[in-house]
Parts: sequence; C-alpha cells; structure tokens
Amino acid sequence: DVKVTQSSRYLVKRTGEKVFLECVQDMDHENMFWYRQDPGLGLRLIYFSYDVKMKEKGDIPEGYSVSREKKERFSLILESASTNQTSMYLCASRTGGKAEAFFGQGTRLTVV
Amino acid sequence: RKEVEQDPGPFNVPEGATVAFNCTYSNSASQSFFWYRQDCRKEPKLLMSVYSSGNEDGRFTAQLNRASQYISLLIRDSKLSDSATYLCVVRYGGSQGNLIFGKGTKLSVKP
Repeated sequence: DVKVTQSSRYLVKRTGEKVFLECVQDMDHENMFWYRQDPGLGLRLIYFSYDVKMKEKGDIPEGYSVSREKKERFSLILESASTNQTSMYLCASRTGGKAEAFFGQGTRLTVV
Repeated sequence: RKEVEQDPGPFNVPEGATVAFNCTYSNSASQSFFWYRQDCRKEPKLLMSVYSSGNEDGRFTAQLNRASQYISLLIRDSKLSDSATYLCVVRYGGSQGNLIFGKGTKLSVKP
C-alpha cells in the first residue's frame, strides 16, 4: 500500500518561529510537492521537486523554502512563521510517468 | 495563467439522485485530466482519470470536451457515502508537469 507520511497532524507555533514540516514517501517517486489548502482558495502549490536536491517554486513560494536531501523526504520550511501561514499543508508525491498523486494526511498548522 | 474553475456548490441532493459537476480550464495545452475526491478533514484521492472518449467507472461517468475546454463528472444513483468535495484537476507540461487543482465542488447526499 502506497504511503505518504507527514510528521504532524496538528501543529501550533508562535509568530517568528522557524517551522519544519516533514514529508516521507515509500514509493520511490521522483516528484514531490507541497501544497497549502485554505477555504475558498483550494489547493495552491508552494514548491515542488523533481529529484534529489532539485526544487522549483510553485505559485506561492514567498515565506517558504524546501529541502530534498534524500529521494524519499521533502521538507517544507517556514523561515519565520506568520499568522497568514495558518493553513492546512498537504504533501504529495507521484512518479514521473503517471499522473496520480498520492497525498499525505495533511498538517494543520496554526500560527499564533 | 493556468486556471481550473468549478462551481463551488454545495450541491444538496437526495439519495438516488443523479448529479453532474462541471469544470472549465483555461490553458489549451493541458494534457491530462482527473477528478479527485476529498472527504472532510482528509487528503484528496484520485477518483478517476478523464479520457477524450469519455469513461465510466460504475456509477461515475467522466467526459472531456477539448474544444470547449470543459470536463464533467456525472454521478448516478447517489449514495450517502458520495458526500465529499470533488476536485477537478488538470496536468500541464508533459509527464513531469504539475497538477493544477480546481477549488472543488461540495456534494452532500441526504437520506
């Protein structure tokens, strides 16, 4: 059974903190993605990666960075958390030849 | 700008009803099309791919009209368990291309 695992389901952080969201997949997928999902706005792509050590900006990269040191792990970093980064964060992965994306269970981040 | 537009709903229907969702996309270079389903407080999951000739999976039928840049999903004989948000998804740019998600259409099936 395919699996994408996000390190936390719920997270509360203070404004200005550095926040790490971790995502691990066990399917040997090349492509990994970070989205955020907000009511009325749908899923918006923050960053994606096609390979180890490669990263590309998505539609809303401001305030975020990513790291992919190993194929199975893709980390999203909030350098200095702000209240407008309160959201549901979803990690996804897929293989290059196929379109189906597999999502992690999501991390609901609250920045206070 | 790559956009995928959906009616947000909610669609409130009785069990056994037939319901149709529509979706339009802005980029004619779009290559692949999908419907994902997202249950409340859960992650999105692939429901079905959408092929040019149209395709069916049990009670679900998907249609694609490339000329009109329009995708549809028809659900027949609705079940309570069909209650969810349905996301229209488009892929641009080849096998490595990104998936662009619509904002979703919420369906609520009532007894």
